[in-house]
Amino acid sequence: SQQGEEDPQALSIQEGENATMNCSYKTSINNLQWYRQNSGRGLVHLILIRSNEREKHSGRLRVTLDTSKKSSSLLITASRAADTASYFCATDEGGSYIPTFGRGTSLIVHP
Amino acid sequence: KAGVTQTPRYLIKTRGQQVTLSCSPISGHRSVSWYQQTPGQGLQFLFEYFSETQRNKGNFPGRFSGRQFSNSRSEMNVSTLELGDSALYLCASSSLHHEQNIQYFGAGTRLSVL
Repeated sequence: SQQGEEDPQALSIQEGENATMNCSYKTSINNLQWYRQNSGRGLVHLILIRSNEREKHSGRLRVTLDTSKKSSSLLITASRAADTASYFCATDEGGSYIPTFGRGTSLIVHP
Repeated sequence: KAGVTQTPRYLIKTRGQQVTLSCSPISGHRSVSWYQQTPGQGLQFLFEYFSETQRNKGNFPGRFSGRQFSNSRSEMNVSTLELGDSALYLCASSSLHHEQNIQYFGAGTRLSVL
């Protein structure tokens, strides 16, 4: 079963625009991660944020975490066509360190 | 370091057959996890192996099994294949550093069951 659920399911933007994806989850977590998957390939880890952190940056990526609302957001600034991919959030909860993945947001960036 | 390697990349089988998929983790990673990805169910956790022992298991029938060797390489086996087993099977390795289980994925094996 999915712990995290991404929203929106699909997002289409123009190159240069910002893309924001959200993830909601159900139970208390230890860590939340974001991954990217290019069509039919394996997932690539983007960023991990711990439950006691509120915001984290990596290059053009900004992740926020609100544990009171059980939600996270991933912001990609100044999107490029190469950012076209599916983006997944993954959470590990309680005593388990096995990440549970959401269904993903499909992002299309038009050149 | 070389990444996670999965073989074969593509497989076509018929119902009732069995299949074995292989995964070589990143050197030094002792944890190997397997996932099934389908359009309908998303990414589902199958099982995790650590030091040749299955440490965690997802909610899949016993037809799905795996093992890990002393060099951390892992295999996954599916017996009595069903049409619904058609999926992308992903292997991921992890070093489990400081309780942060960052997964490094292979490119996957695309299994088609006819």
